[in-house]
Amino acid sequence: AQSVTQLDSHVSVSEGTPVLLRCNYSSSYSPSLFWYVQHPNKGLQLLLKYTSAATLVKGINGFEAEFKKSETSFHLTKPSAHMSDAAEYFCVVSTGGFKTIFGAGTRLFVKA
Amino acid sequence: GAGVSQSPRYKVAKRGQDVALRCDPISGHVSLFWYQQALGQGPEFLTYFQNEAQLDKSGLPSDRFFAERPEGSVSTLKIQRTQQEDSAVYLCASSFGGWDNSPLHFGNGTRLTVT
Repeated sequence: AQSVTQLDSHVSVSEGTPVLLRCNYSSSYSPSLFWYVQHPNKGLQLLLKYTSAATLVKGINGFEAEFKKSETSFHLTKPSAHMSDAAEYFCVVSTGGFKTIFGAGTRLFVKA
Repeated sequence: GAGVSQSPRYKVAKRGQDVALRCDPISGHVSLFWYQQALGQGPEFLTYFQNEAQLDKSGLPSDRFFAERPEGSVSTLKIQRTQQEDSAVYLCASSFGGWDNSPLHFGNGTRLTVT
């Protein structure tokens, strides 16, 4: 069975400070892991994807995530938050095939 | 078009009515998914098509929900005798590959409100 837990429902940061959005997963097999972002009234957009190559994955807009098998984590980070980063972020796990499992989401607030 | 297109963008239905939600995936994409996203929740898997074959419909919440993709491109999600608990955003996504965990490309969704 596979599952994904996003540890924070809301995260608030000031513009220019680092962002950390936490995700833990459970999977019986080697997972593929994704982060998607959802801006208000817009479709979900892929930020980055891990598929067993490099454990540190770089995505769009300066985001990156590190796969840590020992901790079953795939946390999303960004060195410096921008106002435009305010959105809902979803961690997603898939073990091949089609049953992609989404986390409940973390809403990121960025203060000026 | 360049992306996944869903219509209508908004749908209001009276309880008991039938609704049909349409998804136009990216041309050439093999895989098509439907998700249901309740307010404040992450998307939940409903069903998956590989070309015209519906390979998994285990996420459909009841037999009132039916999906088809007869020619392997456009898909329709039909909900019969809508109930208030069906109110949600219905998301369609497509991907190029079948079993290779290709990234999903999402439409903007259809927001269904059942009154």
